Amino acid sequence: GAGVSQTPSNKVTEKGKYVELRCDPISGHTALYWYRQSLGQGPEFLIYFQGTGAADDSGLPNDRFFAVRPEGSVSTLKIQRTERGDSAVYLCASSPSGGTEYEQYFGPGTRLTVT
Amino acid sequence: AQTVTQSQPEMSVQEAETVTLSCTYDTSESDYYLFWYKQPPSRQMILVIRQEAYKQQNATENRFSVNFQKAAKSFSLKISDSQLGDAAMYFCAYRSAEKLTFGTGTRLTIIP
Repeated sequence: GAGVSQTPSNKVTEKGKYVELRCDPISGHTALYWYRQSLGQGPEFLIYFQGTGAADDSGLPNDRFFAVRPEGSVSTLKIQRTERGDSAVYLCASSPSGGTEYEQYFGPGTRLTVT
Repeated sequence: AQTVTQSQPEMSVQEAETVTLSCTYDTSESDYYLFWYKQPPSRQMILVIRQEAYKQQNATENRFSVNFQKAAKSFSLKISDSQLGDAAMYFCAYRSAEKLTFGTGTRLTIIP
């Protein structure tokens, strides 16, 4: 079956611009996660959705970052007024449900470069 | 807050040999999960093996096994009969709630 997909695969934008990154989870998965992986680092948690609601957004670095999941499937991560420090790979993962017994399945990520 | 430490930025092993990747973590919780993920150049994180903290028996998955030392907060990964396809970044990760906390990774090179 289809795995988690993310678009675009790569995104180059200028400092100060707005960007949207899209995640299509595995069909039927109610839990969705966003992580950010900076160069030479492991992924860092950003936000977790259970259904349509953000159950934990404690990892969002500041108010320039926002994520939505209006219909409980596709999610969009939105970054306003991008900065060079936002350059990273943004990974999305989905899970059949919330709960530590369920595996998180990762997508291939979107590499964001802010020039 | 939980932290995960991987002290080996790079490791190399001869094909068909055995290699061990190290990981330590810090937590005050008693119930949690530990994972090893593989990240090839395609960037997709692939689960290699998981260990529930309440289980004393070390997890094994084919050529992959772990040495889980709960008191020492140590969780190493052993890869036996290394293959060229094992070359990748390996990340140790901790989970007690919804989020995963990752280490900084170990780059594994397989020497033919």
